[in-house]
Amino acid sequence: DTGVSQDPRHKITKRGQNVTFRCDPISEHNRLYWYRQTLGQGPEFLTYFQNEAQLEKSRLLSDRFSAERPKGSFSTLEIQRTEQGDSAMYLCASKEGGSYNEQFFGPGTRLTVL
Amino acid sequence: RKEVEQDPGPFNVPEGATVAFNCTYSNSASQSFFWYRQDCRKEPKLLMSVYSSGNEDGRFTAQLNRASQYISLLIRDSKLSDSATYLCVVNGGNYGQNFVFGPGTRLSVLP
Repeated sequence: DTGVSQDPRHKITKRGQNVTFRCDPISEHNRLYWYRQTLGQGPEFLTYFQNEAQLEKSRLLSDRFSAERPKGSFSTLEIQRTEQGDSAMYLCASKEGGSYNEQFFGPGTRLTVL
Repeated sequence: RKEVEQDPGPFNVPEGATVAFNCTYSNSASQSFFWYRQDCRKEPKLLMSVYSSGNEDGRFTAQLNRASQYISLLIRDSKLSDSATYLCVVNGGNYGQNFVFGPGTRLSVLP
């Protein structure tokens, strides 16, 4: 299966700890997106990359959040000093360039902060 | 005002019914529009793109009204398998390449 993969699928951590998630996009896709989704809401945009360049970052994203895509392939999302409000599903998506090309989503990483 | 708003739902309809979902967006510069479907505890998947001229795919019809900044999705002859949350998606941001999702409208098709 050459779809978008995310690791881990589930993460339980204690408040104050740092966590890192990984996303492997579809290989030929140059755009990669991170979203956060809470129960009953649609995915909320966090940031996106075109190749290795981080082109846009939501103003909702605090400085505890950082994302990288060092070689324009996989990406990592790190949350430092986690808070209970960070508990959510973190979704990664990738797409080819072009306004109407489909975003393909990974299965997500579910984060629970105790 | 939220960037993308949708009917709050849930919609509970019998099999075979026709159901319509509405979506409004606030960014007049938005250029691309989509409906995604999300099953419970699954990732969103593209249902259809929405073009200016409107488009149809089998039982599904999408319409766009740029002047009113309004998008609709019509599902005819609904099936049990149509039960899901329907997400309205609009592009936005400084480069027009981020995507804003609405909160979704949940549909339950009942036997």
